[in-house]
Parts: sequence; C-alpha cells; structure tokens
Amino acid sequence: GAVVSQHPSWVICKSGTSVKIECRSLDFQATTMFWYRQFPKQSLMLMATSNEGSKATYEQGVEKDKFLINHASLTLSTLTVTSAHPEDSSFYICSARTGQAAEGYTFGSGTRLTVV
Amino acid sequence: GEDVEQSLFLSVREGDSSVINCTYTDSSSTYLYWYKQEPGAGLQLLTYIFSNMDMKQDQRLTVLLNKKDKHLSLRIADTQTGDSAIYFCAEISFSGGYNKLIFGAGTRLAVHP
Repeated sequence: GAVVSQHPSWVICKSGTSVKIECRSLDFQATTMFWYRQFPKQSLMLMATSNEGSKATYEQGVEKDKFLINHASLTLSTLTVTSAHPEDSSFYICSARTGQAAEGYTFGSGTRLTVV
Repeated sequence: GEDVEQSLFLSVREGDSSVINCTYTDSSSTYLYWYKQEPGAGLQLLTYIFSNMDMKQDQRLTVLLNKKDKHLSLRIADTQTGDSAIYFCAEISFSGGYNKLIFGAGTRLAVHP
C-alpha cells in the first residue's frame, strides 16, 4: 500500500532556530500533501495544503512566513518552522493523497518538535 | 463551517463492545472515516464508509451512518487491550479548491481487564 515517510520523528531545537520536517511519498506520486499540527490530547488541525510546483494554501490563522512549505517534487514536501519558539512545540503530521478514492489519505508517522 | 464532534473518553472492559459516536456537519461529504492513533504515532486508517451506505462491517468493526442526523458510529466487538488508542472520525470537506480531511477531537478508548 501507499506509504508516507516523515522525518525526523522527533527533534529538539533552541529558540530562534529553524527546523525542517520532510514528508516523502515512497511508492506513489503525491500532487497534494497536507500538514497538520496536533497539541497534546487534542485533534489534528490542518495547517496548510501543499501543492507540487505551486504555493501552499494556508488555513486561516496559520502564519505562512513562520511555517514555510515547499513541495518541489511529486514525492517530497517540506515544512520549515522558522525562528521557532516554545509555543511551536507540537506534533506535526503530514498526509498525502494517493489518488485512490476512498482510501486516498495516507499519513506519516509524525514529528514531535520540542523547542527549548 | 465544517465541524466534527466526538465524545472525548470511553472506558470499556476487555471483551465488551465499544461504541464511539461522532457527529459531522458537511452533508456533502462523500466518505467518512475512522482513524486510530496510538501514542506518539501517526494515524492509521481503520475503516471508511461511503455516504450512500448505512452500514459497513469489517471483521470486528461496524460502522453505522445516519445521514439524516449526520451521525456516525464505530462499534468494536470483543474489545481488546490492543484497541486502547485515540479514535478520530473525519469528514471530507471541499474548500479552498481542495478536498480536505476535517477531524473530530478524538475519543480516547481505555480498555481495562
């Protein structure tokens, strides 16, 4: 089946630095990928929709300059958290559409970001 | 706007059935989903149901859909300790030019002996 690989699975960084998270579709091409954020014991909140070869579409309230998304190829989307602060600490999960109608969303294993 | 609601917590005894309920708002959702999330992990698709179906059974899982009331439920038969996890229902909502998955808050299922 379709597999989405997300890397790293966890990262600790200092305040003010930037962190890049990668999301790869391993055995299929993903024109569209989605980035979610999940706070402890809460649901997944969609941050943005990443489109290959074009600008990402951000959800309301998400700072596009802080969460930079790049989808340069059909198998890779990256999320860069710029100038990270402790409040950015969260669990970030990516998802990709496989193109198959009903089962069309495959999720990465998530990245736990801790900003100290 | 789109909104998906679930009860937050459910505790059941091992071997009993679990029923997790969900209400959604987008009547145009073609599919509705149940995902499972174990601690520190991503989401695993458990099952889904097409919007023109009332019920779908898949081994221990039974999904019931009441489209009129926009109510979705997941029944897990013979619940095991390995079923302890957070269960999310999700609807597809078309906005901003894309079909997007909108999740409920998740129901934490605790299975005790």
